[in-house]
Amino acid sequence: TQLLEQSPQFLSIQEGENLTVYCNSSSVFSSLQWYRQEPGEGPVLLVTVVTGGEVKKLKRLTFQFGDARKDSSLHITAAQPGDTGLYLCAGGLEYGNKLVFGAGTILRVKS
Amino acid sequence: GAVVSQHPSRVICKSGTSVKIECRSLDFQATTMFWYRQFPKQSLMLMATSNEGSKATYEQGVEKDKFLINHASLTLSTLTVTSAHPEDSSFYICSARRMQVNYGYTFGSGTRLTVV
Repeated sequence: TQLLEQSPQFLSIQEGENLTVYCNSSSVFSSLQWYRQEPGEGPVLLVTVVTGGEVKKLKRLTFQFGDARKDSSLHITAAQPGDTGLYLCAGGLEYGNKLVFGAGTILRVKS
Repeated sequence: GAVVSQHPSRVICKSGTSVKIECRSLDFQATTMFWYRQFPKQSLMLMATSNEGSKATYEQGVEKDKFLINHASLTLSTLTVTSAHPEDSSFYICSARRMQVNYGYTFGSGTRLTVV
């Protein structure tokens, strides 16, 4: 079983639609990071949230960290074809310095 | 700042040979680096944590003798895939944790290994 459950695994939507990706766990994380990865490249950090209840916005992307620091969501407004990619959430465990990754969400935005 | 260089980006090798992948932090020091393996359209699987000046810590199920990790300096960690087999073909990614920067993980651009 995955420590960090990410859903949905696949998402295919039309340009202009909104979407939300979720990451849930029974574990508490000291931080939660969201990455975007293009094929053949390494993940690129989008945001880090560290405080329970924290909300961060990055243009059309809104990131939220749950109050108990066990879950997080990524909401994209008015998706564009350029948003297509693999989105990964990763949690920093309270003890130790490892990042635990969710299974990833493959997003395809059609024009 | 905070750039991690991973080399080579692609490598093809014959079965039975060994391949070395380098991970360098270019503008910061990293006491800890991480090695991941990624299959197509899947997430990153942590293989091992590389600690400068000491032995790497391997995740359960990862063969230490097959995936040799050396972290000889604060800016360089290497992963050597020994006696490679076709099933070792994968995308390998390293990341480095920046000292004195909370939650500061930077990823390399990955290495596509193909064993023929």
